[in-house]
Amino acid sequence: DAGITQSPRHKVTETGTPVTLRCHQTENHRYMYWYRQDPGHGLRLIHYSYGVKDTDKGEVSDGYSVSRSKTEDFLLTLESATSSQTSVYFCAISKEQPIYNSPLHFGNGTRLTVT
Amino acid sequence: DQQVKQNSPSLSVQEGRISILNCDYTNSMFDYFLWYKKYPAEGPTFLISISSIKDKNEDGRFTVFLNKSAKHLSLHIVPSQPGDSAVYFCAASAPTNAGKSTFGDGTTLTVKP
Repeated sequence: DAGITQSPRHKVTETGTPVTLRCHQTENHRYMYWYRQDPGHGLRLIHYSYGVKDTDKGEVSDGYSVSRSKTEDFLLTLESATSSQTSVYFCAISKEQPIYNSPLHFGNGTRLTVT
Repeated sequence: DQQVKQNSPSLSVQEGRISILNCDYTNSMFDYFLWYKKYPAEGPTFLISISSIKDKNEDGRFTVFLNKSAKHLSLHIVPSQPGDSAVYFCAASAPTNAGKSTFGDGTTLTVKP
């Protein structure tokens, strides 16, 4: 158990509505990531954070924003949800240094459906 | 342009036999490779990794082989067990992309009793 909690676990929302997913960690690790998993695409990085108020874009960041005001919380926001954002979203953390060769520890995911 | 490819979406093997999962990569900057295992309704969990300075890493029933010249790695599971049935993701990382692993699409392994 990596001490990562994602909420909600399931969400159904309508096109055009804003949605915020939350990732909470209990171990005060600096590095946090948001991935999405889609059939045929594996896991793709949306945004990541190297610390409080220090975030950057991943490979599929369009339509998403993030915020990290506290070490333990990393929020992913879909400003105006679209059907293409229907996916399973995973939060992950890196525990060791250097981070490039340390494994990621994932939460159990949020399944988001945009109708 | 997919930099990490797992060309077999699925694999089925009998319990007790060897499972071999393959992964190819194109980016020469990758120098660390990881395998993750994922059960339904759970997040991926780290299984085994290998650095580019090695060609083999073993952990119990799991062995990862790396062929740098071919840009190919494989995960061997011997003997396979029904509990190994899961989706396996190959991932790669480079020092210049600290923490930003690139994942393959995954291979669904089914081990039949």
